[in-house]
Amino acid sequence: SAVISQKPSRDICQRGTSLTIQCQVDSQVTMMFWYRQQPGQSLTLIATANQGSEATYESGFVIDKFPISRPNLTFSTLTVSNMSPEDSSIYLCSVETGTGPPEQFFGPGTRLTVL
Amino acid sequence: AQSVTQLDSQVPVFEEAPVELRCNYSSSVSVYLFWYVQYPNQGLQLLLKYLSGSTLVKGINGFEAEFNKSQTSFHLRKPSVHISDTAEYFCAVSDLENSGAGSYQLTFGKGTKLSVIP
Repeated sequence: SAVISQKPSRDICQRGTSLTIQCQVDSQVTMMFWYRQQPGQSLTLIATANQGSEATYESGFVIDKFPISRPNLTFSTLTVSNMSPEDSSIYLCSVETGTGPPEQFFGPGTRLTVL
Repeated sequence: AQSVTQLDSQVPVFEEAPVELRCNYSSSVSVYLFWYVQYPNQGLQLLLKYLSGSTLVKGINGFEAEFNKSQTSFHLRKPSVHISDTAEYFCAVSDLENSGAGSYQLTFGKGTKLSVIP
């Protein structure tokens, strides 16, 4: 299993600003994922972040809006750039340990409100 | 492409009554199936998963689910619910066609909010 923490847990931001969300894992993992959960909606995958390579973005998400860093095997950041109220969501990171049967472990999420 | 349909957005049920949360999926290949639970203001926690073998899968907190390939369903059940089961439940599917370099990308349903009434 894996224990994941995210910072900040919540934030209220002004339109046009940027926020960087941190995701820390208690063990080394190869695969990390970033999801968005809009109010009343399900989870949508933003991108997959592997250490040592560029993040792979899903359709509808671009690097300029959601730049991702993955400097090592236990840490990643997601930046939400030039925010608008439509970016108000919960952002979750998850990891796949890569050992044993497939399973993703999720962080507690970052609740973002954009005014 | 794969997709997941959770037919009920909200399910109210009295405490100690049984509950079934429905999940149907579509995929052209073999799949892995998961149920996650999200308690208020928390992240997702895995309840159970089906990878292969027995179609009846038991998970945590007394939940179980049955994989039915012919009906492409993976319904979640609990014989007697508690107040503490009030949460949102997400069904998710992953198949090897949607995976790259050993990862198993998940496609989630829209979730079912379970409300347990005292």
